[in-house]
Amino acid sequence: IAGITQAPTSQILAAGRRMTLRCTQDMRHNAMYWYRQDLGLGLRLIHYSNTAGTTGKGEVPDGYSVSRANTDDFPLTLASAVPSQTSVYFCASMSGTGNTGELFFGEGSRLTVL
Amino acid sequence: GQNIDQPTEMTATEGAIVQINCTYQTSGFNGLFWYQQHAGEAPTFLSYNVLDGLEEKGRFSSFLSRSKGYSYLLLKELQMKDSASYLCAVADSNYQLIWGAGTKLIIKP
Repeated sequence: IAGITQAPTSQILAAGRRMTLRCTQDMRHNAMYWYRQDLGLGLRLIHYSNTAGTTGKGEVPDGYSVSRANTDDFPLTLASAVPSQTSVYFCASMSGTGNTGELFFGEGSRLTVL
Repeated sequence: GQNIDQPTEMTATEGAIVQINCTYQTSGFNGLFWYQQHAGEAPTFLSYNVLDGLEEKGRFSSFLSRSKGYSYLLLKELQMKDSASYLCAVADSNYQLIWGAGTKLIIKP
């Protein structure tokens, strides 16, 4: 089934540890995004990539990094996790880059940092 | 600053009609989106409005007034499966999506 796959679906992590959330899509979409979703707040953009080989910072990029080596994969890395990074993380993709198309979301990765 | 406002929670009865409002203040406007998100699941696309007026899609309709910075999502013939959060998002002048916190809709039998 075509779509976006995220891994892991859930993780408990000790503060200070490094963690990579994986995201893979098979729809050949150009644009990919990482959001975090916290209770009472709207989705907040962490990083994005308009096409393979390029990345950009979103609204809340500090403490996170991304890479886009190819069209399909867009991993998100927390270099040294802190408790404020406890959240649900969603990866998404869009066929265009103008943010006027439909976003397709992965099922989310629930991360708890202790 | 940029802001999207929508009610935190609404309750409606199965079979009835409910209107979820969204007001926005953004730097520029390149369209407004509604997404549905069931608890513990990913958001899924419902509608996109870029011109004023009503867009109808089955039981769901979305309305936009750009001059008023206002949109609503209308759900008719409510079903229990419509219990979910409804997220409003606006694409600003840089095509960045600004998201509201979502409206949790509770459907009662």
